[in-house]
Amino acid sequence: EAGVAQSPRYKIIEKRQSVAFWCNPISGHATLYWYQQILGQGPKLLIQFQNNGVVDDSQLPKDRFSAERLKGVDSTLKIQPAKLEDSAVYLCASSPARGTDTGELFFGEGSRLTVL
Amino acid sequence: AQKITQTQPGMFVQEKEAVTLDCTYDTSDPSYGLFWYKQPSSGEMIFLIYQGSYDQQNATEGRYSLNFQKARKSANLVISASQLGDSAMYFCAMRPTGNQFYFGTGTSLTVIP
Repeated sequence: EAGVAQSPRYKIIEKRQSVAFWCNPISGHATLYWYQQILGQGPKLLIQFQNNGVVDDSQLPKDRFSAERLKGVDSTLKIQPAKLEDSAVYLCASSPARGTDTGELFFGEGSRLTVL
Repeated sequence: AQKITQTQPGMFVQEKEAVTLDCTYDTSDPSYGLFWYKQPSSGEMIFLIYQGSYDQQNATEGRYSLNFQKARKSANLVISASQLGDSAMYFCAMRPTGNQFYFGTGTSLTVIP
């Protein structure tokens, strides 16, 4: 079974530039999450999708961050314009329906963003 | 309010010894799941172990066991016979009713040869 795919793995940009991250979840997983993990901290939820609908985006800085999940499969997270404090690892995760085994999160390898 | 607390920023353990990583949680939901993840320096989050709130027995997965004390709202991870490859960040997480996950701030474990 293929895992959660993310790209790019690394990205370096200057502040005020834009960047986009892509995520393809595990096949059949309806729920997709984007987390931001700043160095030394735990993952912070940015947005959660159920199929192609947004379940929770309360912590997404909507003035600069946007995300979409077209057709309920893969997803794109965009930052425009980037700030220095956006330097972090952006983790994509997916999970099967609750009640299926343990329902744990399956994570991708993450996209490490450095804003100069 | 849903909250996960990990009070140990860093821990050291001698190789082949056991170590306990602390985790306490707060939720008013009667049904929830508790998870531990390992994050090595490569960055990927690796699922280790799961405990359901209604499970009567503590979960075990190989060298990992979860010391679940429901009344104290604690879900400590015990790693037995530590190996050098266990050096990593460890995160406790909770999934109450619904699909949201709440993560702690993590504990950095260093295994000393």
